[in-house]
Amino acid sequence: QQQVRQSPQSLTVWEGETAILNCSYENSAFDYFPWYQQFPGEGPALLIAIRSVSDKKEDGGFTIFFNKREKNLSLHIKDSQPGDSATYFCAASNSGTYQRFGTGTKLQVVP
Amino acid sequence: GALVYQYPRRTICKSGTSMRMECQAVGFQATSVAWYRQSPQKTFELIALSTVNSAIKYEQNFTQEKFPISHPNLSFSSMTVLNAYLEDRGLYLCGARDEVYEQYFGPGTRLTVL
Repeated sequence: QQQVRQSPQSLTVWEGETAILNCSYENSAFDYFPWYQQFPGEGPALLIAIRSVSDKKEDGGFTIFFNKREKNLSLHIKDSQPGDSATYFCAASNSGTYQRFGTGTKLQVVP
Repeated sequence: GALVYQYPRRTICKSGTSMRMECQAVGFQATSVAWYRQSPQKTFELIALSTVNSAIKYEQNFTQEKFPISHPNLSFSSMTVLNAYLEDRGLYLCGARDEVYEQYFGPGTRLTVL
């Protein structure tokens, strides 16, 4: 049972473009949504996170847009660089549960 | 700061043998620990939740007979993969929570089964 889903499964953008990664969830009790970046052969690294009381969170070139009513959120990577090529995971949890990971989006930024 | 260490970082075992991996929380008290597995090209599946002095809760498709877990104190947890086979290969991730439910992840133990 996949409680957190991501789309697209893979995404290719040109260097300098904004990459948009989508995430949706089923459990309306989730209130914390981190995004992780994973490079091949490594573990996931926390990139940015948002709580359900907010609808937007920015950090550097990364922005999360959150829609509580629709139970979805998106990660925008502005001015994408080849070094941003990685797999991105959305996760969800609340104070009483552990994080559930999404299905992942593999991003490739082409020079 | 809060850190989670995992040992070993990489390991190889022969098919049918067992492999033990460890998770250590530093800088905070890990009241509970979650173990995840990332199979090749896949996402992170939750294996089990372990809380000190409570029963360990396993997710569907994972059992104590296959993945026994020990969580003896607030800084240490270990999990063993018994009778490892090819489908058990992947990255095993430990996530520890503190008293205010902040979750910290280790770098993972990568298991290769020959």
